[in-house]
Amino acid sequence: GAVVSQHPSWVICKSGTSVKIECRSLDFQATTMFWYRQFPKQSLMLMATSNEGSKATYEQGVEKDKFLINHASLTLSTLTVTSAHPEDSSFYICSAESGPGGEETQYFGPGTRLLVL
Amino acid sequence: GESVGLHLPTLSVQEGDNSIINCAYSNSASDYFIWYKQESGKGPQFIIDIRSNMDKRQGQRVTVLLNKTVKHLSLQIAATQPGDSAVYFCAEISGTYKYIFGTGTRLKVLA
Repeated sequence: GAVVSQHPSWVICKSGTSVKIECRSLDFQATTMFWYRQFPKQSLMLMATSNEGSKATYEQGVEKDKFLINHASLTLSTLTVTSAHPEDSSFYICSAESGPGGEETQYFGPGTRLLVL
Repeated sequence: GESVGLHLPTLSVQEGDNSIINCAYSNSASDYFIWYKQESGKGPQFIIDIRSNMDKRQGQRVTVLLNKTVKHLSLQIAATQPGDSAVYFCAEISGTYKYIFGTGTRLKVLA
C-alpha cells in the first residue's frame, strides 16, 4: 500500500516552454501532497504544500506564479513549471500523506527529472 | 535555526557487516522521526519510523534508536547487503507536520 506515482519520469524541454508533472496516490486518498526539489547530492527542498480543493502553500523563495500547483482531487496533484529556464533543471519529487488529518508519514513518488535546454 | 544533520556524509561498510547511520536533530519538540532510503535517480523510500515516546523500534534487518537526551537518532542495518547501497535521510517532524530533512549519508557496501 501507500504507492505514489509521478509522470513523466523524465522530460526534456526547450527554454520558455511549460512542463506539467503529475503526482498520483494510487491506493489511498491524500488530502495533502508535497512538492520537493532536489539538486544533485543535496537533500530535498520543500517547494510547496498542496491541499485538495484549496490553494497551495508555498515555501519562502518559491515563486507561485512560476510553479503552479493544482490539487484537484484526493489522488492527483500537478506541478506546472511555467516558462521553464535552464536553472529550473532539477529532480522534482512529490509525496503524499497517508491518512486523514495527517498521519504524518509521507510516501514519495519516484521523481521527475527535468532538463531545460 | 532548527536543523537536522548527519554526522557522516559517506559510510563504507563490508558486505555482511552491520551499518550504523547517525543523525542529530536540534528541535527537542519534534515528536516523530523517519528514515528514508534514496537510490540514485529515485524518490525517497520509507524505511522505518519512530515516535518520541519510544527509544527503539525494529523492522526487518533495520533498527532505529532514539536518544532524546542528546537529540540523536540512528539507523542500524544488520548484515548489510549490496542492495542497501543508497543515500539515507533522516526526517524530523514537529507538531506542524513539516518535514526537515538531513543532507543524507551515502552508504557504500563493499563486496
